Amino acid sequence: EVQLLESGGGLVQPGGSLRLSCEASGFDFNNYAMTWVRQLPGKGLEWVASISAGGDSTYYANSVKGRFTVSRDTPKNTLYLQMDSLRAEDTALYYCAKDHMEGVTISFYCDYWGQGTLVTVSS
Amino acid sequence: EIVLTQSPATLSLSPGARATLSCRASQSVSSFLAWYQQKPGQSPRLLIYDASNRAPGIPARFSGSGSGTDFTLTVSSLEPEDFAVYYCQQRSSSLTFGGGTKVEIK
Repeated sequence: EVQLLESGGGLVQPGGSLRLSCEASGFDFNNYAMTWVRQLPGKGLEWVASISAGGDSTYYANSVKGRFTVSRDTPKNTLYLQMDSLRAEDTALYYCAKDHMEGVTISFYCDYWGQGTLVTVSS
Repeated sequence: EIVLTQSPATLSLSPGARATLSCRASQSVSSFLAWYQQKPGQSPRLLIYDASNRAPGIPARFSGSGSGTDFTLTVSSLEPEDFAVYYCQQRSSSLTFGGGTKVEIK
């Protein structure tokens, strides 16, 4: 059974940093691209970042480019999102999600999602 | 950035009715469009990818159609568990989601 467990969320002041983690199990983590998507409370979905299966290619939304960094640790089956220079508008529930397609090609469709970790940016 | 506009914002229907949801892109996304379902307190669930392909385990009452800028998600006969919010998502250029359509019980 595919499981994705996010952690690392919390309350942080504007300008601060957080690192989110997503521990994956139930599938060959090494063979799938991964994606972070966020959801403002009571609102819609916003793509944040994606990383290829091998970790050599990363993609970012314009709203977070230069501030957020996505990475992965294959031996630990863990996906990360380093968030720096946080702003109030980054407040959201952050989901990690598994790519639909196995291999080097990223489909950017997400077939399994975690339950999310809440990030609140406020003074 | 490609903007996806979903309509209507809310659809009020009875169980057993046919639901037709629309997603319009600000420019062509070819067939690179997916549909997701999200129930309250739950994570999104992939229903349809590449406009018309059902994801594994998705019931046949869900179908997707369209290409270019106009797409439709159809639920042929609503079951009680289908009342939820539905989002479209394109991957043709970067990745964006529509604002969602809530399907509620009439």
